[in-house]
Amino acid sequence: NAGVTQTPKFQVLKTGQSMTLQCAQDMNHNSMYWYRQDPGMGLRLIYYSASEGTTDKGEVPDGYNVSRLKKQNFLLGLESAAPSQTSVYFCASRGTSLSTDTQYFGPGTRLTVL
Amino acid sequence: LAKTTQPISMDSYEGQEVNITCSHNNIATNDYITWYQQFPSQGPRFIIQGYKTKVTNEVASLFIPADRKSSTLSLPRVSLSDTAVYYCLVGERSGSGGYNKLIFGAGTRLAVHP
Repeated sequence: NAGVTQTPKFQVLKTGQSMTLQCAQDMNHNSMYWYRQDPGMGLRLIYYSASEGTTDKGEVPDGYNVSRLKKQNFLLGLESAAPSQTSVYFCASRGTSLSTDTQYFGPGTRLTVL
Repeated sequence: LAKTTQPISMDSYEGQEVNITCSHNNIATNDYITWYQQFPSQGPRFIIQGYKTKVTNEVASLFIPADRKSSTLSLPRVSLSDTAVYYCLVGERSGSGGYNKLIFGAGTRLAVHP
């Protein structure tokens, strides 16, 4: 049981390049999330998905797109990277047990845009 | 969505009890209160969750007054390894039919000194 995994762990892009950050979870959770965290700051929600095939905007969706074609995968795309998108990106999935409703986070992807 | 307010930072010493208070004046009837801990270069991890009164687990206690407009995370006898950022979140539990969006604030930076 790997939990939430993210690839790649590190990435350097040039301004204008595109890329896709991948997130996978093996806990059969319906909800998945993408956050970004700038140095010394809290997490900001980019997009979330309540279930397979559905996505919704979070606080800072501009410059990003997402895809949730499979329940276990949530992809975050940058169509034309900008230096302002330099950040650490965290993916999370959310599950509910009898007593708690918990988000499980991946290890993060550290993205630098030059 | 209920907005949360926490102190930006706190300092403590090893062996002391630490109490971090979170204000959430517009909490809704169906909202739960959840606390997460984040170490540098890692994703947040779940600490504790509650709805009212007091909840205790092996890591912390959560105190929620009757009006639920605030909550206090209590960490007993902290050690250096408790140095982290602590986030308070308020929202409905997944699957309840309510919002799936979860917003993190800036969090509280706790520094534990020898």
